Amino acid sequence: GNSVTQMEGPVTLSEEAFLTINCTYTATGYPSLFWYVQYPGEGLQLLLKATKADDKGSNKGFEATYRKETTSFHLEKGSVQVSDSAVYFCALSGDNYGGSQGNLIFGKGTKLSVKP
Amino acid sequence: DTAVSQTPKYLVTQMGNDKSIKCEQNLGHDTMYWYKQDSKKFLKIMFSYNNKELIINETVPNRFSPKSPDKAHLNLHINSLELGDSAVYFCASSHRPWGGMNTEAFFGQGTRLTVV
Repeated sequence: GNSVTQMEGPVTLSEEAFLTINCTYTATGYPSLFWYVQYPGEGLQLLLKATKADDKGSNKGFEATYRKETTSFHLEKGSVQVSDSAVYFCALSGDNYGGSQGNLIFGKGTKLSVKP
Repeated sequence: DTAVSQTPKYLVTQMGNDKSIKCEQNLGHDTMYWYKQDSKKFLKIMFSYNNKELIINETVPNRFSPKSPDKAHLNLHINSLELGDSAVYFCASSHRPWGGMNTEAFFGQGTRLTVV
C-alpha cells in the first residue's frame, strides 16, 4: 500500500539557518504530494503541493520538488525564522478514487524549533 | 469566516461516557473526513464521507460512529469512551475524495479529547 516516510525530529535550528526535511514515499501510479504545517495549538494547513513529477511546490519561502526517480519530496527553506517553528507533515494522495488508496496518507511529522 | 469548524475544542470526560464532536464546513465541499492524531502527532484517517455517503471506514472500533446529516456537516459520536481514545480529533473537507488532482484538504482546529 501507499506510505510516507519522513525524517524523525525534533529539528532545532538557529534563525536564518537552512532547513531540509526529508520525505520519501511508496505508491503505485501517480500520486499527488503535499506538505502540511501544524502550528502550536492549531489545525493543519496546506503549505505546498505538487501533483506530477518534476513539479515544484512553493509557499512562504518553502520549496519541495516532486522527484519520481527517487520517490522523494524533500522540504527546504533557505533561511528559517522563529515563526516557522511548527510540526511539518509530508502527505500523499493516491490516484485511485476512494478506498485506502485514495486516502491522504501522512508521514509521522517532524517538529521544527527555530531559536532566535 | 471559519472554513472548517469543530466543537468543542476541548473535551474532558470520564471512561464509559458517550460524547459527540461536531464539524461543519462552509466551503461547499462534497467530502468530509475525520482524522485521529495521537500523542506522538501521528495522523490516521478514521472516516470519509462523500455527499453524505460513507466511502472510507478504516479499522476503527464500532464505538465510533460518524453521522452526516448533510454535505456540510460530519459529526463523530463515541460510545463507552476508553482511556485510549484520548487524542486530538481533526475534521477536514475537500472538493472530492482524494485521488490526486489538486484536491486540497482544509482542516478544522481539532478537538482535544481527554478521557479520565
